[in-house]
Amino acid sequence: DVKVTQSSRYLVKRTGEKVFLECVQDMDHENMFWYRQDPGLGLRLIYFSYDVKMKEKGDIPEGYSVSREKKERFSLILESASTNQTSMYLCASSLHRANYGYTFGSGTRLTVV
Amino acid sequence: AQSVSQHNHHVILSEAASLELGCNYSYGGTVNLFWYVQYPGQHLQLLLKYFSGDPLVKGIKGFEAEFIKSKFSFNLRKPSVQWSDTAEYFCAVNGVDSSYKLIFGSGTRLLVRP
Repeated sequence: DVKVTQSSRYLVKRTGEKVFLECVQDMDHENMFWYRQDPGLGLRLIYFSYDVKMKEKGDIPEGYSVSREKKERFSLILESASTNQTSMYLCASSLHRANYGYTFGSGTRLTVV
Repeated sequence: AQSVSQHNHHVILSEAASLELGCNYSYGGTVNLFWYVQYPGQHLQLLLKYFSGDPLVKGIKGFEAEFIKSKFSFNLRKPSVQWSDTAEYFCAVNGVDSSYKLIFGSGTRLLVRP
């Protein structure tokens, strides 16, 4: 089975801190994605990447950036964390086009205080 | 732009009741459709998917969904729910010509009472 591993399950950070969320997948998937999940809003796409060093903005990229230096790793960066970025962050990967479906990580619950 | 609507945010059923969760999407072209499930404390898992062919799709754990193109709908059904079906369910759509992205609905929380 494909595994998507997110480095932290829970994080607590202070307002203004720079935060790195790491995601690693082990099955050579081309595509990787970062979503945030909030009650009543479902999953909203922040950024995605379809190749190494390639990235595209999703629906809510403001306040975030990403890095993909290696195919298996996709990092989400909060340049200056704010309380409205308190959320569950989900990483996913997929083979080729999204019609194969995604494999999700377990999520990182980030609290910004 | 693509969008997905799940009109039922919370559903409460007793065991053995039948389930139908609504999903409507907005997209002008050909779509691939998915239902994902998130059990408490677990990661999102694929329940079933539709690409083409028979519009009635069967998934894991006795779930099925029917794609009705004229209604832009992809409703999830199960004839008899179990307590273990308590979870949050997400409908998602991928426009075939938008290739990479899945757009998710806001989710439906299902609580099954024993």
